[in-house]
Amino acid sequence: QITLKESGPTLVKPTQTLTLTCTFSGFSLSTSGVGVGWIRQPPGKALEWLALIYWDDDKRYSPSLKSRLTFTKDTSKNQVVLTMTNMDPVDTATYYCAHRRRNGPNSYSFDYWGQGTLVTVSS
Amino acid sequence: DIQMTQSPSSLSASVGDRVTITCQASQDISNYLNWYQQRPGKAPNLLIYDASNLEAGVPSRFSGGGSGTDFTFTITGLQPEDIATYYCQQYDNLPLTFGGGTKVEI
Repeated sequence: QITLKESGPTLVKPTQTLTLTCTFSGFSLSTSGVGVGWIRQPPGKALEWLALIYWDDDKRYSPSLKSRLTFTKDTSKNQVVLTMTNMDPVDTATYYCAHRRRNGPNSYSFDYWGQGTLVTVSS
Repeated sequence: DIQMTQSPSSLSASVGDRVTITCQASQDISNYLNWYQQRPGKAPNLLIYDASNLEAGVPSRFSGGGSGTDFTFTITGLQPEDIATYYCQQYDNLPLTFGGGTKVEI
């Protein structure tokens, strides 16, 4: 049974750095092909992919946010951590982490998601 | 970036209706497409992968099709529990991109 859960502050001030932790169980991020992603959703809006980290510690970021994002993993703790610098009110959103499953060659899906955590950016 | 355009953005249908949502990619993505359901206040849930493969445990009234740039998602026999917003997502290229969503109401 795969589970993921996001944790972090619910309120941050503009210009501050956001640190979100995703704690997971039921899989290992050292298993070949496995990945964990971060996706966010502003209130009432669509989903936006932010970042991916792979079992081999390779990382990929959304080009529009790359300069502000850092994604790390702690395999021993079954955690991944996303930091986003210089937060702005437009970054107010629910932030999800999700397990990326490899269905086959070049085939991937987010098959398990955390419950999400709402982060509000306001002074 | 590959743009994913969903239509309609919202629809209203009756229980038992057949509902179809379309998703168009800005370039050829083969069949590298997922569909997700997001019920109000909940995280997204994977329904379809590889454009037409039904995820395990998902009711067979959900189906998907298409390849290249044009894709469809169909609910055959709409149920009250299908009230949700549906998103397509491509994984042919990074950055991963989602459609704008289709809100289904009864």
